[in-house]
Amino acid sequence: LAKTTQPISMDSYEGQEVNITCSHNNIATNDYITWYQQFPSQGPRFIIQGYKTKVTNEVASLFIPADRKSSTLSLPRVSLSDTAVYYCLVGDGGDMRFGAGTRLTVKP
Amino acid sequence: NAGVTQTPKFQVLKTGQSMTLQCAQDMNHNSMYWYRQDPGMGLRLIYYSASEGTTDKGEVPNGYNVSRLNKREFSLRLESAAPSQTSVYFCASSELFGYTFGSGTRLTVV
Repeated sequence: LAKTTQPISMDSYEGQEVNITCSHNNIATNDYITWYQQFPSQGPRFIIQGYKTKVTNEVASLFIPADRKSSTLSLPRVSLSDTAVYYCLVGDGGDMRFGAGTRLTVKP
Repeated sequence: NAGVTQTPKFQVLKTGQSMTLQCAQDMNHNSMYWYRQDPGMGLRLIYYSASEGTTDKGEVPNGYNVSRLNKREFSLRLESAAPSQTSVYFCASSELFGYTFGSGTRLTVV
């Protein structure tokens, strides 16, 4: 199982770009990288998934270097409503384990 | 378009009581999962089912049993509840790795 390491918390201001990096040194060949967002009292919500290079959707971008030992979730122009916990998961399905996540606080 | 539905939303049990948490998904996903989340913590995997008819232990399976009743339904049973099982329980389903989570069951064991 690939272990992930993320910063415990980050602060930002409205309108800024936020980059959250996840380290996964023992990622396996078949593993994908997936990021989730969780608000208090809700289940996590899928944000983005990738295998290598760069993936972009309507809410975020995911940057994965060639060695795949880390990944960076990029949130453009955050707002107060982006205050949440962000989790990085690495695996190929099955026994997928969440780490402690990164608590992002967006300030006015 | 319900997604993943969990029942009940809230439950209070006395120590030693048993109960079953229900989960159903309408997305035709093969894989289903049960996680627990303690206050201020990340989610921990209890059991998962990669396909109908199969179940496997996750990180914290002790004190729990599961049943994959059919492709839609995956239940979690506490045979003899303990205060340490006070938590929020989330069910999820997935196809090709992206999870869809239910809204959770908040369980308190007194």
